[in-house]
Amino acid sequence: DQQVKQNSPSLSVQEGRISILNCDYTNSMFDYFLWYKKYPAEGPTFLISISSIKDKNEDGRFTVFLNKSAKHLSLHIVPSQPGDSAVYFCAASAINAGGTSYGKLTFGQGTILTVHP
Amino acid sequence: DGGITQSPKYLFRKEGQNVTLSCEQNLNHDAMYWYRQDPGQGLRLIYYSQIVNDFQKGDIAEGYSVSREKKESFPLTVTSAQKNPTAFYLCATSRVLAGELFFGEGSRLTVL
Repeated sequence: DQQVKQNSPSLSVQEGRISILNCDYTNSMFDYFLWYKKYPAEGPTFLISISSIKDKNEDGRFTVFLNKSAKHLSLHIVPSQPGDSAVYFCAASAINAGGTSYGKLTFGQGTILTVHP
Repeated sequence: DGGITQSPKYLFRKEGQNVTLSCEQNLNHDAMYWYRQDPGQGLRLIYYSQIVNDFQKGDIAEGYSVSREKKESFPLTVTSAQKNPTAFYLCATSRVLAGELFFGEGSRLTVL
């Protein structure tokens, strides 16, 4: 049962354009969402997060949007740079709601982003 | 330097042998986790620990074992009962349970 899904295995964009990475979730207990970036043979690094009390969070070139009714979030990177080429993982957790999802980050399958110069 | 150290980075073992992957942290984080990454499947949680001498099974704990005798250390043993042990293993920590995760560099295990 895949509770967090990233349906696009890969995305290719031109340098300077916008990259939009999408993520859907099914567990209504999730109330905290994160994006991680991963280079080959390295551990993921935290990029940006959003709590379910917000619908947008921005940090420099990165913005995360959350649509709770659709159980959908997206990561926007503007402008995209070649150094952004990596695998991006969406993750979700239940902090306030508790239950069996508490304390565990559930990850999506990842989307490989390639930014061409 | 504060951080998470996983060792070894690469490990080859014969089928049927148990192997232990090391994870050490000096971030003074309470919670520690083990994830496994397979192509096309993202990261899946094996075990996690909120506090010394306590740990919980994750989503794919079968064939694995852990211990948490010290706050700084959370070793993972891949036993011969694990049917598909070849994978990239990631250790992570967080200040508190359900907090932001910090990951180590990973250990790639290949079973021949």
